[in-house]
Amino acid sequence: DARVTQTPRHKVTEMGQEVTMRCQPILGHNTVFWYRQTMMQGLELLAYFRNRAPLDDSGMPKDRFSAEMPDATLATLKIQPSEPRDSAVYFCASGLALGAQYFGPGTRLLVL
Amino acid sequence: GQQLNQSPQSMFIQEGEDVSMNCTSSSIFNTWLWYKQDPGEGPVLLIALYKAGELTSNGRLTAQFGITRKDSFLNISASIPSDVGIYFCAGETNQAGTALIFGKGTTLSVSS
Repeated sequence: DARVTQTPRHKVTEMGQEVTMRCQPILGHNTVFWYRQTMMQGLELLAYFRNRAPLDDSGMPKDRFSAEMPDATLATLKIQPSEPRDSAVYFCASGLALGAQYFGPGTRLLVL
Repeated sequence: GQQLNQSPQSMFIQEGEDVSMNCTSSSIFNTWLWYKQDPGEGPVLLIALYKAGELTSNGRLTAQFGITRKDSFLNISASIPSDVGIYFCAGETNQAGTALIFGKGTTLSVSS
């Protein structure tokens, strides 16, 4: 049963600390997405990659957020320094070039 | 930018009732997807639609790709308590470099 996996599932940290979230896309999927979900904004696209190359990161605060794909089986999203307003659920999703995306279980981040 | 208008925002129904929700846009989409999100989990793909006019069922769920390619609806027949959750529509334009556009979601509550 192929699934997107994300770690950690929960993260509580203090303002100013670095946060790293990891995602393992479904094997064979060439497109990886990072979303942020909050009650106020709903699902927001932060960035996405195709064949490991960044295609669009316009939804991401550039000064503190960075997204990378060191290899085809790992995507990372880093926040440095973290702020309370970054508290949200961060989802990774993977898919092929066009069509359905499959979501991971999310990382619930709380920045105090 | 492109937007999806999803309605209703929330629904409160009795077990056994049928449910209908829809998404509309001023833009044309080539793919429509419907997701369900349970509390504490990531969105799960329910139905994918790839052709205008397409009508697809998945158990008690039926979704249609509008003939104008600007709308889609999801019906749930004979609702049960486990149908509770947030339902999202998403559309894709098939243009290179674009990602899915998500609706704001319909929150479904089912009382038994």
